[in-house]
Amino acid sequence: AQSVTQLDSHVSVSEGTPVLLRCNYSSSYSPSLFWYVQHPNKGLQLLLKYTSAATLVKGINGFEAEFKKSETSFHLTKPSAHMSDAAEYFCVVSDTPTGGFKTIFGAGTRLFVKA
Amino acid sequence: GAGVSQSPSNKVTEKGKDVELRCDPISGHTALYWYRQSLGQGLEFLIYFQGNSAPDKSGLPSDRFSAERTGGSVSTLTIQRTQQEDSAVYLCASSLAPSSQPQHFGDGTRLSIL
Repeated sequence: AQSVTQLDSHVSVSEGTPVLLRCNYSSSYSPSLFWYVQHPNKGLQLLLKYTSAATLVKGINGFEAEFKKSETSFHLTKPSAHMSDAAEYFCVVSDTPTGGFKTIFGAGTRLFVKA
Repeated sequence: GAGVSQSPSNKVTEKGKDVELRCDPISGHTALYWYRQSLGQGLEFLIYFQGNSAPDKSGLPSDRFSAERTGGSVSTLTIQRTQQEDSAVYLCASSLAPSSQPQHFGDGTRLSIL
């Protein structure tokens, strides 16, 4: 069975400091993994995706994530937070089990950025 | 436009009324998804279309909810006899193909049931 766990419901950082948003997953197959960002009153926007190529994935706006199979983790990082990064972030796992389709969204992590 | 378009952006209606929410996906995207996002919560998967067929309807919360897609393009999500617990943001997304493709989201329809 698939599942996604975002380990922190809220993360608060100061502008200019590193960001770490944690995500653990479980999957019976070879999953595709994604991070999405949602700004207030907007839909979700793709930040980056992992689909069994390079384990370190670079996304938009300076974000990156590393797929660690041994730890079943896909944590999102950014070296230096900007005020505009304040938003809700969702970790997503997607499988292609034989004959089926399933996408699971994590519960989300709200990122606060302090001036 | 080039993105996923949802209408209306906001809908306020009385309990017991029926509502229709519309999603216009990105041209050429065969997969279309509906999600519900309640206040302060993550996304709840409702239904997924591949072309005009819906292989996975497991997320529809009750038989008051239905969805259709015609011509492999526009989809409508219908909620009959609305209840206050139906109040949420309904998000639509589309992708070139299911699962391994990223999904492109619309801005959602904010539904409020009085």
